[in-house]
Amino acid sequence: GEDVEQSLFLSVREGDSSVINCTYTDSSSTYLYWYKQEPGAGLQLLTYIFSNMDMKQDQRLTVLLNKKDKHLSLRIADTQTGDSAIYFCAESMRYGGSQGNLIFGKGTKLSVKP
Amino acid sequence: NAGVMQNPRHLVRRRGQEARLRCSPMKGHSHVYWYRQLPEEGLKFMVYLQKENIIDESGMPKERFSAEFPKEGPSILRIQQVVRGDSAAYFCASSAMGRGPSFDEQFFGPGTRLTVL
Repeated sequence: GEDVEQSLFLSVREGDSSVINCTYTDSSSTYLYWYKQEPGAGLQLLTYIFSNMDMKQDQRLTVLLNKKDKHLSLRIADTQTGDSAIYFCAESMRYGGSQGNLIFGKGTKLSVKP
Repeated sequence: NAGVMQNPRHLVRRRGQEARLRCSPMKGHSHVYWYRQLPEEGLKFMVYLQKENIIDESGMPKERFSAEFPKEGPSILRIQQVVRGDSAAYFCASSAMGRGPSFDEQFFGPGTRLTVL
């Protein structure tokens, strides 16, 4: 079955690092994603990682993928108040000839305290 | 270069009425996806369409819900005889390529928040 799980809340102080964790169940996932949703807005793709990679770094963002444990994490360095948002982990598979739809977790609400 | 556009942004309906949600994909995109986000939940896939074709509707309820993406004009998600449980945010996303092994980002619209009284 398809299921993506993440903790619901995370609170950090400004300047600290934030680590948001996610587990997924489908080993056929080809891409894994992190999306950011600010209040009242749509989803913004932050970063993604292909399933044959272990790590991807993009400025303040570091994604780690442990395929054996089906564990994905997003680390935000030097967290700012503007990073306060809900972060969604998502996976997609490719089946047949069609593009897979995205399977989302419930989201982790990140609160950054000044 | 406008992104994905959805309208209306907010929609209020009474039980039993019809809701029509519109999505205009990004310029050059011919693949559209609809997702529903219930309160305190993640997004759930509903349907994937290409121009004039429904490719995957495995996430769409069998009754009262329908979707189309005509040759001309926006994609429409239609909910007939709405009930309170339909209250949610409905997001549309579009992508350029759809098929193929390459990464193909889905760009999301701002969503339509449906409230059923």
